[in-house]
Amino acid sequence: NAGVTQTPKFQVLKTGQSMTLQCAQDMNHNSMYWYRQDPGMGLRLIYYSASEGTTDKGEVPNGYNVSRLNKREFSLRLESAAPSQTSVYFCASDQLRYEQYFGPGTRLTVT
Amino acid sequence: KQEVTQIPAALSVPEGENLVLNCSFTDSAIYNLQWFRQDPGKGLTSLLLIQSSQREQTSGRLNASLDKSSGRSTLYIAASQPGDSATYLCAVIYSGNTPLVFGKGTRLSVIA
Repeated sequence: NAGVTQTPKFQVLKTGQSMTLQCAQDMNHNSMYWYRQDPGMGLRLIYYSASEGTTDKGEVPNGYNVSRLNKREFSLRLESAAPSQTSVYFCASDQLRYEQYFGPGTRLTVT
Repeated sequence: KQEVTQIPAALSVPEGENLVLNCSFTDSAIYNLQWFRQDPGKGLTSLLLIQSSQREQTSGRLNASLDKSSGRSTLYIAASQPGDSATYLCAVIYSGNTPLVFGKGTRLSVIA
């Protein structure tokens, strides 16, 4: 039982490049989330998926897209990376808004 | 706006001291409240979850309480140890179809 896994762990991009962050959970949770964490700003919700087939914007969705591929997987895509998207990205999941579990994070630097 | 506030932002205590971390929220209509721990460079680890019908939860040296009427939760850590040094985050699910709202955390340092 791996919980929530994220790939890659680290990534460096140049401005304008694109990439997809992958997230998978093996707890059969319905809901999945993407957050970013920046110093002094705390955790901010980017997008979430309350159930398979649905996605909703969070607090800071601009510049991102998401795909709920199936019940296990939820990906986050940066189409044209900007330095302002340098951050640590966390994926999380829960079942019916109960205890939320987090992945180890992806540290992204955009130069 | 539904918010969660944690004060102080940082706290330093000597080893062995009992301590209390505070969390306040703006709306008493909550679904549940969760305390997390985050070590530097790591993800968040769930410590305790309190459902809205509960007053407290305990796990080992940790005890979390919930007072909806005053909009407050506290995390009590007994006999603190250097290994307790981390950032502690409080998060609230408000009633209604809203995701978790996080506080910015309290960074705890336990000095040996």
